[in-house]
Amino acid sequence: GENVEQHPSTLSVQEGDSAVIKCTYSDSASNYFPWYKQELGKRPQLIIDIRSNVGEKKDQRIAVTLNKTAKHFSLHITETQPEDSAVYFCAASTRSNYQLIWGAGTKLIIKP
Amino acid sequence: DGGITQSPKYLFRKEGQNVTLSCEQNLNHDAMYWYRQDPGQGLRLIYYSQIVNDFQKGDIAEGYSVSREKKESFPLTVTSAQKNPTAFYLCASSATGNQPQHFGDGTRLSIL
Repeated sequence: GENVEQHPSTLSVQEGDSAVIKCTYSDSASNYFPWYKQELGKRPQLIIDIRSNVGEKKDQRIAVTLNKTAKHFSLHITETQPEDSAVYFCAASTRSNYQLIWGAGTKLIIKP
Repeated sequence: DGGITQSPKYLFRKEGQNVTLSCEQNLNHDAMYWYRQDPGQGLRLIYYSQIVNDFQKGDIAEGYSVSREKKESFPLTVTSAQKNPTAFYLCASSATGNQPQHFGDGTRLSIL
């Protein structure tokens, strides 16, 4: 079945450094790739998304890149800050499918 | 997101009891979703609805039931058949499939 693998499961970086989280999807028909941030005890919030007709998208310190050939996409956070500490989830869906296929999540820890 | 309201915030279930979690949205979205999240885990889809009076099972539908009689409402009933209901339940909506999903603040369900 459709699957999204997310790595690493935990990522610890020094404040001010960059963080990269990678996801690989199995369904070549996938064309929508959102990223969500979930703080402890809170709801997931969409932070950035990308569609398959675009290779990269940026929003201030956050960027997402997509490699359709390799079927993977990555979240890049630059100049990390303490408030970036959270669990990040990637997901993928296809035009014909109402379901998002979710990655298992990455716990990002920002060390002071 | 302010457009999705889940209630109650906390809910306690006795053995053999059915409980219903409320989800209301004022975003005029066609699609609505229910997810279960266990501590430290990812999101698992329980049920989703693409349109009024229609819904489909997700990955873990056993022990749960839903209805979609109105566009803005998608209540979830946790039945007594669900033997391990303790979890964080999240409702989401999207304009259509393959669009960003927006989440409510969630309901925490515990067993008395």
